[in-house]
Amino acid sequence: AQSVTQLGSHVSVSEGALVLLRCNYSSSVPPYLFWYVQYPNQGLQLLLKYTSAATLVKGINGFEAEFKKSETSFHLTKPSAHMSDAAEYFCAVSGVGGSYIPTFGRGTSLIVHP
Amino acid sequence: KAGVTQTPRYLIKTRGQQVTLSCSPISGHRSVSWYQQTPGQGLQFLFEYFSETQRNKGNFPGRFSGRQFSNSRSEMNVSTLELGDSALYLCASRDSNYGYTFGSGTRLTVV
Repeated sequence: AQSVTQLGSHVSVSEGALVLLRCNYSSSVPPYLFWYVQYPNQGLQLLLKYTSAATLVKGINGFEAEFKKSETSFHLTKPSAHMSDAAEYFCAVSGVGGSYIPTFGRGTSLIVHP
Repeated sequence: KAGVTQTPRYLIKTRGQQVTLSCSPISGHRSVSWYQQTPGQGLQFLFEYFSETQRNKGNFPGRFSGRQFSNSRSEMNVSTLELGDSALYLCASRDSNYGYTFGSGTRLTVV
């Protein structure tokens, strides 16, 4: 079964600092990978997705993620954090074993300090 | 282009009652999936419908059911509600490139 591990349930950064949210997946074949963001009392918004094209994927709001097959990782980064980036971030994987239903990680809460 | 619409946004029900939630996908999307989100379990897949047929089902009891209509709108039903069913229920519609767009969810509280 496919699974996703997000390291750190909470990440705290200062405004203007680098954002790094970690995601590792378990799969023997390159899957589809996604990052979603969720603001309070809202649904999930797609930030970016990897579908076996370029390994460096650029998303919305200045976020990007790099697919590293050797490390089975898909970490999310943003060079400079804004207060508005404070939210819950979810990594998801699909396409493993013929299943395209996304499996989500437990989420990482990003806290941005002024 | 309108997004995924879920109604109602908030719902309070009593234990033992049943509830029906509605989801209208993005126009042209034929696949609708449902997820349950709770602080303890995170996001858990309930089921997926495509062209009025359930194609995938998660590990939930039979009290949870769903259906999809010919216009792709979907409903999910939970019977004999339990306190543990309190959650945010999210619906997502899928495009042809495996992109899932989520609605804002229905917050169900069981008292």
